Amino acid sequence: QTVVTQEPSFSVSPGGTVTFTCGLSSGSVSTDYHHPSWYQQTPGQPPRTLIYNTNTRSSGVPDRFSGSILGQKAALTIAGAQADDESDYFCLLYMGRGIWVFGGGTKLTVL
Amino acid sequence: EVQLVESGGGLVQPGGSLRLSCAASGFSFSSYAMSWVRQAPGKGLEWVSAISVGGGGTYYADSVKGRFTISRDDSKNTLYLQANSLRDEDTAVYYCAKVPDSLGQCTDCKRHFDYWGQGTLVSVSS
Repeated sequence: QTVVTQEPSFSVSPGGTVTFTCGLSSGSVSTDYHHPSWYQQTPGQPPRTLIYNTNTRSSGVPDRFSGSILGQKAALTIAGAQADDESDYFCLLYMGRGIWVFGGGTKLTVL
Repeated sequence: EVQLVESGGGLVQPGGSLRLSCAASGFSFSSYAMSWVRQAPGKGLEWVSAISVGGGGTYYADSVKGRFTISRDDSKNTLYLQANSLRDEDTAVYYCAKVPDSLGQCTDCKRHFDYWGQGTLVSVSS
């Protein structure tokens, strides 16, 4: 069974830049097959869609959020981190045949 | 404005059943695939199931295959999840999510979730 890997946690100073990654237990992440997307979630709230198809921002998402492929992984970068960016971030990969898998999530602390 | 409103959650004993509903509005429901995602208390997101436009394609995570059934009623703009043989580990908030795609053949595929409901809590306990 395919496992999608994310760093469990990250810390960043206000105004700093942080990059999370999203990888596969076997193989590389590709835009054309896996359509990587990223979601932000704060406690008690549903997820909010940030990025899809690797690097396309959803409507209303600030341009300090950006997505890319770094090596064999998808990546989410937050530039100029703000206090209200403190959230859980989940990546999602499409595995084909109508199947998706979420990563375990990264908890971001801004301090 | 796109709205997705889940209902049908509650407390159920192990081995029991529930039917979750997701009422959609603000978009052409019949033109898009839909999905269910769940989140156990204090845990991450888990994709559960998806259904294509027209309902001809249904897809399930291994953890629920054979126990859960996804369906849609385009005349009522409603998505359903019939959950049978429920287990303690099915306890979670269940979200419905819109897929901005039909899940059919595509050249500009959008295989992600663009809108989410607020969720409905399913608790499985004796």
